[in-house]
Amino acid sequence: QMQLVESGGGVVQPGGSLRLSCVASGFAFNHYNMQWVRQAPGKGLEWVTFISLDGSDKNYVDSVKGRFTTSRDNSKSTLYLQMNSLRPEDTAVYYCVRDSDWSYNIWGQGTMVTVS
Amino acid sequence: QSALTQPPSASGSPGQSLTISCTGTSSDIGGYTHVSWYQHHPGEAPKLMIYEVNRRPSGVSDRFSGSKSGNTASLTVSGLRAEDEATYYCNSFAGNNNWVFGGGTTVTVL
Repeated sequence: QMQLVESGGGVVQPGGSLRLSCVASGFAFNHYNMQWVRQAPGKGLEWVTFISLDGSDKNYVDSVKGRFTTSRDNSKSTLYLQMNSLRPEDTAVYYCVRDSDWSYNIWGQGTMVTVS
Repeated sequence: QSALTQPPSASGSPGQSLTISCTGTSSDIGGYTHVSWYQHHPGEAPKLMIYEVNRRPSGVSDRFSGSKSGNTASLTVSGLRAEDEATYYCNSFAGNNNWVFGGGTTVTVL
């Protein structure tokens, strides 16, 4: 079945770095744009970043610009999120999502990032 | 990149209909048909319920429907059931590879 599996979350001190990974299976990863969405504790969903199917186009929410970098390796069906200069307000569950028809029809289970 | 505006909560009795609004601007909801809705139960991944304003993915009950007028989108749940209790989020494309979510509406079935 179509699936996204995130990993790489954990506890990090402010100013530290983490790299999240998201492995896709069950569909042609290189045919889809991909995004990251996060949810801070007790808060709503927040769009974080977009990457086009070939990695040539990217965009980020203003609060992470210059600190986060999204990338992908289509040969490995894997999406990445490099997070640098982490702040306490980056604490959240991070979801990898497949962008299809301008919506998110496949979600990973999420990986928790705690900055403290 | 301002969040879309949703009411924080909504409630209804079993069998009733309930409509959740999502208000944006001409730069997001009003400018595109790319509006989607998600159902989120605690501890689970969110689930796509409506995309492109009013299209339902395969497997989603036809009790869920979407619409849009101007800068406001709406999700209607007909024939409310206990399992519909969840938080619902709207999402819109906002141009230039930007997306924006609403703040979420927690639905209670009385």
